[in-house]
Amino acid sequence: EVQLLESGGGLVQPGGSLRLSCAASGFIFSNYAMSWVRQAPGKGLEWVSAISGSGSSTYYADSVEGRFTISRDNSKSTLYLQMNSLGAEDTAVYFCAKDRQWDLTFDFWGQGILVTVSS
Amino acid sequence: DIQMTQSPSSLSASEGDRVTITCRASQGISNFLAWYQQKPGKVPKLLIYASSTLQSGVPSRFSGSGSGTDFTLTISSLQPEDVATYYCQKYKSAPGTFGPGTKVDIK
Repeated sequence: EVQLLESGGGLVQPGGSLRLSCAASGFIFSNYAMSWVRQAPGKGLEWVSAISGSGSSTYYADSVEGRFTISRDNSKSTLYLQMNSLGAEDTAVYFCAKDRQWDLTFDFWGQGILVTVSS
Repeated sequence: DIQMTQSPSSLSASEGDRVTITCRASQGISNFLAWYQQKPGKVPKLLIYASSTLQSGVPSRFSGSGSGTDFTLTISSLQPEDVATYYCQKYKSAPGTFGPGTKVDIK
């Protein structure tokens, strides 16, 4: 059974940093690209970033380019999102999502972790 | 970047009704269009990819069609468990932009 478990969320001050983790199990982690997708309170889904199975290719939404860094440790089956220079607009539930076949469709999602940026 | 729009933004229909949601891309995306269902308080679920291919386990009352810039998601007979927000998404190349969503509820 595929499981994705996010951690690392919480309250952070504007301008601060946070690192999210997503522990994966139930599939061969290194074989699949992964993404982060976020959802601001009461709003729709926003794709944030993607990384290839090997970690050699990464992609970002314009809204986070230069502030967020996606990475992965295939030996630990864990996905990361380093978030810097956070602003109120980054307040959201962050989901990690397994890519179906490195095409940015997502067949499994974590339960999500809330990040709140506020003073 | 390609923008995705959906209509209507919300709808209310009776159980058993046929429901259609439209998604439009600002540029042609061939058939690289997916649909997701997000029930209240739950995680999004992949329903359809490649415009019309049902993900494993999705009920056959859901169907998708379209190519290029115009796409539709149809629920042939609306059930109470279909109350959710439905999102389209363009994929294949970054960014994997989602539409704004269509909220479906039961009259």
